[in-house]
Amino acid sequence: KAGVTQTPRYLIKTRGQQVTLSCSPISGHRSVSWYQQTPGQGLQFLFEYFSETQRNKGNFPGRFSGRQFSNSRSEMNVSTLELGDSALYLCASRAASGSTGELFFGEGSRLTVL
Amino acid sequence: AQSVSQHNHHVILSEAASLELGCNYSYGGTVNLFWYVQYPGQHLQLLLKYFSGDPLVKGIKGFEAEFIKSKFSFNLRKPSVQWSDTAEYFCAVMRGGATNKLIFGTGTLLAVQP
Repeated sequence: KAGVTQTPRYLIKTRGQQVTLSCSPISGHRSVSWYQQTPGQGLQFLFEYFSETQRNKGNFPGRFSGRQFSNSRSEMNVSTLELGDSALYLCASRAASGSTGELFFGEGSRLTVL
Repeated sequence: AQSVSQHNHHVILSEAASLELGCNYSYGGTVNLFWYVQYPGQHLQLLLKYFSGDPLVKGIKGFEAEFIKSKFSFNLRKPSVQWSDTAEYFCAVMRGGATNKLIFGTGTLLAVQP
């Protein structure tokens, strides 16, 4: 079956703009989480959604937000972009939150902020 | 706050050498432990995981890890590395319970020389 799909794969924005990233989880998976990967900070948890509800949130400013739709697809939005938001944004899906199943990662959306 | 420490940032080995990558975490409660691998240009993949039971867990591609609760450690081992093991390796911790929040270590870049 298809893996976790993230779009777009690459994008370039300028400071002050906003961006929306999309994630389609593996079919049947209801839990989606987002991570930010940068050379300096490594992999950091952004937020987690299950059945359209945010279950957990990382330590990021309010400019970072997300949502999940009834079909389990998820989007994250970053408003008022800063240079430091340049990163690889990874989405991961799992069958259910808190289950012992594997967390599957997508290939990521690479955001460059100029 | 929870944290995960990976002691080696860069490791260079020759083929057939043995590998051990250290991982320590700071959290006193129930934890689930993971090792992920990121091959060049590819997405994060699960190598192995520990939830409960036998503290010695075996993963894919001949990797294994041992959970030592008293030392808060989850070191990754492979008796004989191959050139194809060249990748970045991440240790991660998840608190027990209904969450998919992974706390990642900073990663270890392994280069295997043929």
